Amino acid sequence: GENVEQHPSTLSVQEGDSAVIKCTYSDSASNYFPWYKQELGKRPQLIIDIRSNVGEKKDQRIAVTLNKTAKHFSLHITETQPEDSAVYFCAPRVNQGGKLIFGQGTELSVKP
Amino acid sequence: GAVVSQHPSWVICKSGTSVKIECRSLDFQATTMFWYRQFPKQSLMLMATSNEGSKATYEQGVEKDKFLINHASLTLSTLTVTSAHPEDSSFYICSARDILAGGWEQYFGPGTRLTVT
Repeated sequence: GENVEQHPSTLSVQEGDSAVIKCTYSDSASNYFPWYKQELGKRPQLIIDIRSNVGEKKDQRIAVTLNKTAKHFSLHITETQPEDSAVYFCAPRVNQGGKLIFGQGTELSVKP
Repeated sequence: GAVVSQHPSWVICKSGTSVKIECRSLDFQATTMFWYRQFPKQSLMLMATSNEGSKATYEQGVEKDKFLINHASLTLSTLTVTSAHPEDSSFYICSARDILAGGWEQYFGPGTRLTVT
């Protein structure tokens, strides 16, 4: 089955700094790569996604980069704010069945 | 658009009883829905893929006789936890994809917190 590894598990930054979270996956047929933000007790919220035919996508302070050859994709958050504090998950889509396999999560803490 | 609801939002039940959780796509048709379980401070673990009009596909290690899934219509999937035990206490979340819209995004329900006493 698909193996997904996410690093780091915790990340603490000062407000205004950048944060980078990396996700590696094993299924070379994966074709959709979303990142989710989850606040305590709530549903995962899609913050950005990328498809396999694109190398990079940006939406204001958030960007995702994809390296299909190396089978990893990364979340980049610039100018972090305290409200960015949450748990972030990568969840590459397994081509067979269309299911998402979630990484272990990264707890991001942005200190004012 | 693309809203998924779950009912109930939380439930407390006694050990040995069964609990049914509903997942509805409110404004789109979902031929496939997914059920996840999340324990405190852990990731979402896919339990099963629910297919409208056919049997669900369970992930390895998930007991299909304990977690009964029914997807009887294009907008409703149900998960029944049978003979619940305290170790089944968890946050259960469903998701669905609007295939007819051609999108790739999965829409998540708000989750159901199950506590078994």
